[in-house]
Amino acid sequence: KNQVEQSPQSLIILEGKNCTLQCNYTVSPFSNLRWYKQDTGRGPVSLTIMTFSENTKSNGRYTATLDADTKQSSLHITASQLSDSASYICVVRYNNAGNMLTFGGGTRLMVKP
Amino acid sequence: NAGVTQTPKFRILKIGQSMTLQCTQDMNHNYMYWYRQDPGMGLKLIYYSVGAGITDKGEVPNGYNVSRSTTEDFPLRLELAAPSQTSVYFCASSSRGGTSNQPQHFGDGTRLSIL
Repeated sequence: KNQVEQSPQSLIILEGKNCTLQCNYTVSPFSNLRWYKQDTGRGPVSLTIMTFSENTKSNGRYTATLDADTKQSSLHITASQLSDSASYICVVRYNNAGNMLTFGGGTRLMVKP
Repeated sequence: NAGVTQTPKFRILKIGQSMTLQCTQDMNHNYMYWYRQDPGMGLKLIYYSVGAGITDKGEVPNGYNVSRSTTEDFPLRLELAAPSQTSVYFCASSSRGGTSNQPQHFGDGTRLSIL
């Protein structure tokens, strides 16, 4: 079954620290895996998009990695800032899903000063 | 650049009422989508369109209708509002479909409560 599970559900870190968010998917290979950032009260904004053949993709302080053996993707945030406080959503486009994407429930990150 | 614009931002409906959620995009994208987001859950696809005049059901289409008469606009219609339709609704657009590496661009959502 096409599923996406994210952990932790929520996370609090201090400004300037690094953190890693996890995303587990159930079926491989897949077409692409995406990470989105969603600020409170706003729509999701794309951070990275990786194909199944890619191991890593960066966007500034955000780096997404892919481990096909464990069926896991990680989003690493370096030198966190207060503006990183948001929900981070992992999304997979499975090969058998046509135009549909499978969204994880998100990790809510709070960065404190 | 306006991107994807949704109106209204908030709405309260009574059970059985109907309404249309508006969505327009100025990026000349062929693909447009409607999602709903419930607390703690992943976004669920309601309907999508691959171009003007073409629409298709997503994962949770019951209770909703859509139309796509122009490239820019993709309204979502609720005919008989039910409490289960209380949610945040997001419209999105993309230049290509899910198999491509093109991101979906989202509006800021419509928060709908059915009482």
